[in-house]
This record gives sequence, C-alpha cells and structure tokens, in this order.
Amino acid sequence: DAGITQSPRYKITETGRQVTLMCHQTWSHSYMFWYRQDLGHGLRLIYYSAAADITDKGEVSDGYVVSRSKTENFPLTLESATRSQTSVYFCASRTLAGGVTGELFFGEGSRLTVL
Amino acid sequence: TQLLEQSPQFLSIQEGENLTVYCNSSSVFSSLQWYRQEPGEGPVLLVTVVTGGEVKKLKRLTFQFGDARKDSSLHITAAQPGDTGLYLCAVNTGTASKLTFGTGTRLQVTL
Repeated sequence: DAGITQSPRYKITETGRQVTLMCHQTWSHSYMFWYRQDLGHGLRLIYYSAAADITDKGEVSDGYVVSRSKTENFPLTLESATRSQTSVYFCASRTLAGGVTGELFFGEGSRLTVL
Repeated sequence: TQLLEQSPQFLSIQEGENLTVYCNSSSVFSSLQWYRQEPGEGPVLLVTVVTGGEVKKLKRLTFQFGDARKDSSLHITAAQPGDTGLYLCAVNTGTASKLTFGTGTRLQVTL
C-alpha cells in the first residue's frame, strides 16, 4: 500500500536549470494537487487536476508546468528554476466521492534548493 | 491578505498544559478542516467540521466551528510531546475541491 509517493525527496539545482518533481498515487483518486510550503506563507496551491488531461492553475503557478496523461501521475516541472522557487513541494490527492469535505492525502514532500 | 488567519503562530508549552489555537476569517465557509503536520512529513487530516456551532472531539483534541461558520478553534487538553507539530486549518475555495490553507500554528510540547 504505497499511497502517494514523491521523488526525489531532496534536490539541489542551479538557477536556470529545468527540474521535474514526480508524484505517483496508487488510489486512482480523481483530484491531484501541487502545493509549495514556505515559512510565513503556509501551503500555497501551484496547480491542480480534476482528472487525466484536465489541469488548472492555482495561486502561484508562474514558472511551473504540469501534465497529467495518466490518472496516477502528476509531474511538476520548473522550466527554468529561480532562487525564489527554493521550497518544499507537496503533492496531494483527493477522491471525487469525498466532495468538498473529502480528505486530502499528502506525499512526504520534495525539498528543492535552487542555488 | 490571508483568507485564513491562524493564531498564535508559535506556541511552546510544557507537557500537561492546555492550549487553544484559532483559525479566523471574514468569509463564511460551508466546511473547515484541521490538519497536523509533523516534521519531514505531509499534513494529515484530523477533522472536518460542517455545521455552525459544531463541536467534535478526538481524544484530547476538541474542535469547534463558529456559529457563523467564519472561524474555528482547536483546544488540546493535557498536551503531550506527541502533539508537537504544525496545525493547519483549511477551507474549500472555488470549484474542483481546491483547499486553501492558513499559515499554521507551530506547537512544541516539552517534557
């Protein structure tokens, strides 16, 4: 029972490089989300997806790209990393059946440092 | 401006003490959730409240949703070191089941 897994857990990169963070869930949840967590800002939504091939922007989407060709995978790409994108990134999923009160299940996070 | 304001931001107490943390907004919500996040892990759901004035208990944790459904509180009785973590409130905003989180209350319970 793997649940929701993120990789890599830790990544150091340089400004301007492309970075992809992977997210995989085994529950076939319809909804998937990417959040970033920074001190003083809490968790902020980057992108979300309601189903395969359906994605939409959150409040801090600039500089990020997502795709969802399969229900279980939701990779997040930083096209040209900047220092301001240094953060801890969390992937999460939610079942459609849960509705607005359904539980959000989180991965363990990916800590990204951009030098 | 934050949709959800949590207070206090930090709280350090000794084992056995009681505490209350707050989640406030000027907006009305149909439901509100509380999550706890331990160091190095993702947040985990503690409770969902849906009715104004609702009180839910989870062992030593008591959650209350305000009568006007604009605020919530979490009270911990006789805190233990295992209660240490970041407590986050969250509400659904817009469509597609998006959750917006507060900035959190970081709790440390020492022996």
